[in-house]
Amino acid sequence: KAGVTQTPRYLIKTRGQQVTLSCSPISGHRSVSWYQQTPGQGLQFLFEYFSETQRNKGNFPGRFSGRQFSNSRSEMNVSTLELGDSALYLCASTPTSGSDEQYFGPGTRLTVT
Amino acid sequence: QKEVEQNSGPLSVPEGAIASLNCTYSDRGSQSFFWYRQYSGKSPELIMFIYSNGDKEDGRFTAQLNKASQYVSLLIRDSQPSDSATYLCAVSPSGTYKYIFGTGTRLKVLA
Repeated sequence: KAGVTQTPRYLIKTRGQQVTLSCSPISGHRSVSWYQQTPGQGLQFLFEYFSETQRNKGNFPGRFSGRQFSNSRSEMNVSTLELGDSALYLCASTPTSGSDEQYFGPGTRLTVT
Repeated sequence: QKEVEQNSGPLSVPEGAIASLNCTYSDRGSQSFFWYRQYSGKSPELIMFIYSNGDKEDGRFTAQLNKASQYVSLLIRDSQPSDSATYLCAVSPSGTYKYIFGTGTRLKVLA
């Protein structure tokens, strides 16, 4: 099985711009979670989607949003980018067969200048 | 108190020794516990998960869970230089669909 894929892998944006990141889960996985990883804060939970519904959201401002499509692919959007949004954004997918271990994609490295 | 705590390290062990990594968590409702390995510049890789009290072994790795004391540990036997990485502990409180990560312990295995 192919793993979790994320596009793009690297992105450079300017303050004030917006960005959309994409994630395709492992085939058959229906839950997708997003995380922000920075050296100072570690891995911080952004949100989780299952069957196009957001089931939980972390403590991030409303500039961070996401969605999931019927094929389980997910996107996250960050509007009005700030320098502090520079981070590695990770997507993880989870099978829904009674086990809930997460598998991470390679991440998108976002740099805001 | 942080929700999931790990000693940041670095934890240095000689090659062939047992590395012991510890993690404590605050939410008594947590049901699922995970250990991830993350190499520098890479994404986390799942190496162990445990749901029940006691030990779970997989190759050179053993996860130990004690819900009463709210800690989970990872033992790595016969440590190899390739095990040098940051090890992340993650906890999922029941029904939250959310995973809370510790900040990780950096392990160095010295050849």
